[in-house]
Amino acid sequence: QKEVEQDPGPLSVPEGAIVSLNCTYSNSAFQYFMWYRQYSRKGPELLMYTYSSGNKEDGRFTAQVDKSSKYISLFIRDSQPSDSATYLCAMSGNTGGFKTIFGAGTRLFVKA
Amino acid sequence: GAVVSQHPSWVICKSGTSVKIECRSLDFQATTMFWYRQFPKQSLMLMATSNEGSKATYEQGVEKDKFLINHASLTLSTLTVTSAHPEDSSFYICSASGRNPSVDTDTQYFGPGTRLTVL
Repeated sequence: QKEVEQDPGPLSVPEGAIVSLNCTYSNSAFQYFMWYRQYSRKGPELLMYTYSSGNKEDGRFTAQVDKSSKYISLFIRDSQPSDSATYLCAMSGNTGGFKTIFGAGTRLFVKA
Repeated sequence: GAVVSQHPSWVICKSGTSVKIECRSLDFQATTMFWYRQFPKQSLMLMATSNEGSKATYEQGVEKDKFLINHASLTLSTLTVTSAHPEDSSFYICSASGRNPSVDTDTQYFGPGTRLTVL
């Protein structure tokens, strides 16, 4: 079993739809949860960063962490064609010399 | 804040030559830098982790004599692909984490990547 599971997609939605992206994980030591967006042939860009459980909102993006279920989500409201990219979840523990584990990434296509 | 640059962004070289890729943190001190490799439509594969002034820690299966990593300062790390071969063609991405009041210390900030093509 992988430490982090993420459906690679592709996920195709119409413009304006609400997008839900998810990851599950197995290591209960993870405390820091991130979502990155990566456009084709570019480096990943940090979108959201959450510590422990709870919700965090930033504009059209909402990140949710449910540590009891070992499940994290990223919601994108009013999706735009410019949101078309690969979204990577990532997580790490709070021990020294942490190692971040990345999901495989979900490819999202938002159709105009 | 938290800007990471890479140079070059794109390089083509002949088989058997060596290529050096630079990764710089522009506005924070990068206590740790990471090097990843990414094949088309695949996720990031961690190659090695380096702390400033220390030898890099390589992931299993990564040849340390082929992929030389140097982290000589808090703002610069280099990856040298020695005796490159066509199978080394890939997208190489660095990331950095570190200390700065505006930087989350447990988050990695990524560079834009370097596309290496070995002929």
